[in-house]
Amino acid sequence: GAVVSQHPSWVICKSGTSVKIECRSLDFQATTMFWYRQFPKQSLMLMATSNEGSKATYEQGVEKDKFLINHASLTLSTLTVTSAHPEDSSFYICSARESGTGGHYGYTFGSGTRLTIV
Amino acid sequence: GIQVEQSPPDLILQEGANSTLRCNFSDSVNNLQWFHQNPWGQLINLFYIPSGTKQNGRLSATTVATERYSLLYISSSQTTDSGVYFCAVGVAGTASKLTFGTGTRLQVTL
Repeated sequence: GAVVSQHPSWVICKSGTSVKIECRSLDFQATTMFWYRQFPKQSLMLMATSNEGSKATYEQGVEKDKFLINHASLTLSTLTVTSAHPEDSSFYICSARESGTGGHYGYTFGSGTRLTIV
Repeated sequence: GIQVEQSPPDLILQEGANSTLRCNFSDSVNNLQWFHQNPWGQLINLFYIPSGTKQNGRLSATTVATERYSLLYISSSQTTDSGVYFCAVGVAGTASKLTFGTGTRLQVTL
């Protein structure tokens, strides 16, 4: 079945540094990928929709200059948290939808990245 | 935007018990999925069910789209069923985005 690889699984960084998270579809092409953030014991909140070859679409309230998204190929999207601060600590999850999937079943999720800023 | 509420928020079951989880949504949807998030954070797709009833082993789901709710049934629960169950919905014209519900945290004990 479809597999999405997300790296790193966890990362601890000092405040003020930038962190890049990769989301890679291993056995399918994904025109669209989604980035979510999940705080402890809360639901997943969509941050942005990443479209291959074009600019990402950010949800209301998400700072596009802070959360940089690049979707340069049909198998890779990256999220860079710039100048990270402790309040950016969270669990980040990506999801990829297989290109050409007519229905809505083709969502596969990465295993998530636990980001801690100290 | 659409609101998605799940109940109960927390549930503790003894192994072997049955349970029903509910998902209410505030608007018409063209996509509804149930997910299980395991204790390590991985999301597993259980059902794609914008309407009707489906079954997969000990799990089954029913969506009554006209009344804007969906139910997930877990029978003969096992400790491996523990985790958080989310429903997620999609609305026409929103570029395939999924809005996740509030979740039900399930703990199955021996």
